Amino acid sequence: GAVVSQHPSWVICKSGTSVKIECRSLDFQATTMFWYRQFPKQSLMLMATSNEGSKATYEQGVEKDKFLINHASLTLSTLTVTSAHPEDSSFYICSAGGYRDKNIQYFGAGTRLSVL
Amino acid sequence: AQRVTQPEKLLSVFKGAPVELKCNYSYSGSPELFWYVQYSRQRLQLLLRHISRESIKGFTADLNKGETSFHLKKPFAQEEDSAMYYCALRTGGFKTIFGAGTRLFVKA
Repeated sequence: GAVVSQHPSWVICKSGTSVKIECRSLDFQATTMFWYRQFPKQSLMLMATSNEGSKATYEQGVEKDKFLINHASLTLSTLTVTSAHPEDSSFYICSAGGYRDKNIQYFGAGTRLSVL
Repeated sequence: AQRVTQPEKLLSVFKGAPVELKCNYSYSGSPELFWYVQYSRQRLQLLLRHISRESIKGFTADLNKGETSFHLKKPFAQEEDSAMYYCALRTGGFKTIFGAGTRLFVKA
């Protein structure tokens, strides 16, 4: 149980285009999902907390209009990087809580975004 | 300020040696602490949490509120323990803050 699927695992896009990343909880309903960004050899940096049916809560310094988060159902949250630029290139990881214990997070495998 | 500090980026030990991965935290509320592990080419996963007070894969961690620490220990390291270890602090609203991580390398 508690499988979180993240898609795509790797995406390359041109500067100025938008990219959507999906995070799905496959066998449980995730009341809360989290989006992280990880730079090479650095820790996970929380970008936003996504609650089903409500607006995401963004961390300080994270542009809401740049990183659009939608959590339309209890099993799906999406992160859209709008008008991507090379500095947005990074590893994006989602996690979901709510399986038996809301305090434990289950992580997706991550998405590597490369913006040319 | 809420913060998790893992002072060692890399820890290298021989197989069978004891290992201790250090973690210190800063949080004004009642802390809930976790250790997450990431094995090579795998996703991040929970190793243990302080409220469980259990040993997972031989690892234990005790919360020391006086020293604001949550060090991860194992008496005899195994090669399969080689991985990236993250200490994490859960704050209000289920938000979790991660330390920078420590890469453990267990040599044969």
